[in-house]
Amino acid sequence: KAGVTQTPRYLIKTRGQQVTLSCSPISGHRSVSWYQQTPGQGLQFLFEYFSETQRNKGNFPGRFSGRQFSNSRSEMNVSTLELGDSALYLCASSFRQGEAFFGQGTRLTVV
Amino acid sequence: QQQVKQSPQSLIVQKGGISIINCAYENTAFDYFPWYQQFPGKGPALLIAIRPDVSEKKEGRFTISFNKSAKQFSLHIMDSQPGDSATYFCAASGAAGTSGSRLTFGEGTQLTVNP
Repeated sequence: KAGVTQTPRYLIKTRGQQVTLSCSPISGHRSVSWYQQTPGQGLQFLFEYFSETQRNKGNFPGRFSGRQFSNSRSEMNVSTLELGDSALYLCASSFRQGEAFFGQGTRLTVV
Repeated sequence: QQQVKQSPQSLIVQKGGISIINCAYENTAFDYFPWYQQFPGKGPALLIAIRPDVSEKKEGRFTISFNKSAKQFSLHIMDSQPGDSATYFCAASGAAGTSGSRLTFGEGTQLTVNP
């Protein structure tokens, strides 16, 4: 079975721009979660989607948004990028509660 | 209430030794406790997990010990190998009806196993 696929692997954006990250979950997994990983804050939960509906949301500003498509693929969008948004963004897919399988992440650098 | 505290921040062990990483949680609604291993440039990989109805789970060289009354759990890596050198994260998840698959992570432990 193919794992979780995230694209692109690396991104460099300028402050004020917006960015869209993509995630393809493991086949059969309907839950997709997004996390931000930084050296200072560790792994922080952004949101979770299940059957195209946002089921859970972390404490991030409204500039961070996401969606899930009928094939369970998910996208995450960050608008009006700030330097502090530089991070590794990780997508995880789940079949059972809590048992999350992560992709390799998208490394976003905001300059 | 949602925090998971992990210690130590870093750990150096000799090859063949035992690595022990500890975590403590506050929210009694948590009912699933996984451990993840992360190598540089990679996403976290699920290593082993436990539910509170058992006190210990072993998979190969990896063992989770769980103390429900103390709200603590730990990862033991027996016969530690240089290839185990990585960052380890503990995590916790609540009941499916309340938190879905949301994971709350500890701060991470950087393990170095010297040859």
